[in-house]
Amino acid sequence: EAQVTQNPRYLITVTGKKLTVTCSQNMNHEYMSWYRQDPGLGLRQIYYSMNVEVTDKGDVPEGYKVSRKEKRNFPLILESPSPNQTSLYFCASSFKNSYNEQFFGPGTRLTVL
Amino acid sequence: AQKITQTQPGMFVQEKEAVTLDCTYDTSDPSYGLFWYKQPSSGEMIFLIYQGSYDQQNATEGRYSLNFQKARKSANLVISASQLGDSAMYFCAMREGPGNNDMRFGAGTRLTVKP
Repeated sequence: EAQVTQNPRYLITVTGKKLTVTCSQNMNHEYMSWYRQDPGLGLRQIYYSMNVEVTDKGDVPEGYKVSRKEKRNFPLILESPSPNQTSLYFCASSFKNSYNEQFFGPGTRLTVL
Repeated sequence: AQKITQTQPGMFVQEKEAVTLDCTYDTSDPSYGLFWYKQPSSGEMIFLIYQGSYDQQNATEGRYSLNFQKARKSANLVISASQLGDSAMYFCAMREGPGNNDMRFGAGTRLTVKP
């Protein structure tokens, strides 16, 4: 089954404790992206990647890191989480340079205390 | 810069009636794609429908249709014969391209279908 998976689905953590949210897709997509969703703001892009070893900042990159060592994986790293990073996070993927829709993972609900 | 505007934070519709969710966009690129996603209370993002800027006809997918008015830069989603399961958040999104892969989203509209 073609899909984007994210783990964990739910996470409660404390300020400053490093965490990683994993994202993996099995559709051989070049383009992968991370979004955060906050009420009234829709989805805002954090980082994206056009291909292996190619990443770039989106609209709200502060406090986040990413890596793209393999085509299928695109982890999101919060090295020192803060309460304002409490949000719903989505990973998405698609073929690059096309008008195809993005396929979304199930979301990760993160709470930083 | 791209901008997507959804002016209706919340909408109500009676079951079996049709409803239109508004979306306007701003772009100077002649090539772009417009998308609608549904997000039920369970949280996942479900792709509904796509419209290309050069498509001559409005896109349709089952009970969903996209009322595309290019000159007005609007891409409204029409849901016919609403069902209780249509209650959800709906997001309009756009991708310019084909070179620009970024997808920009509106703030969303929460639709509630009343029995």
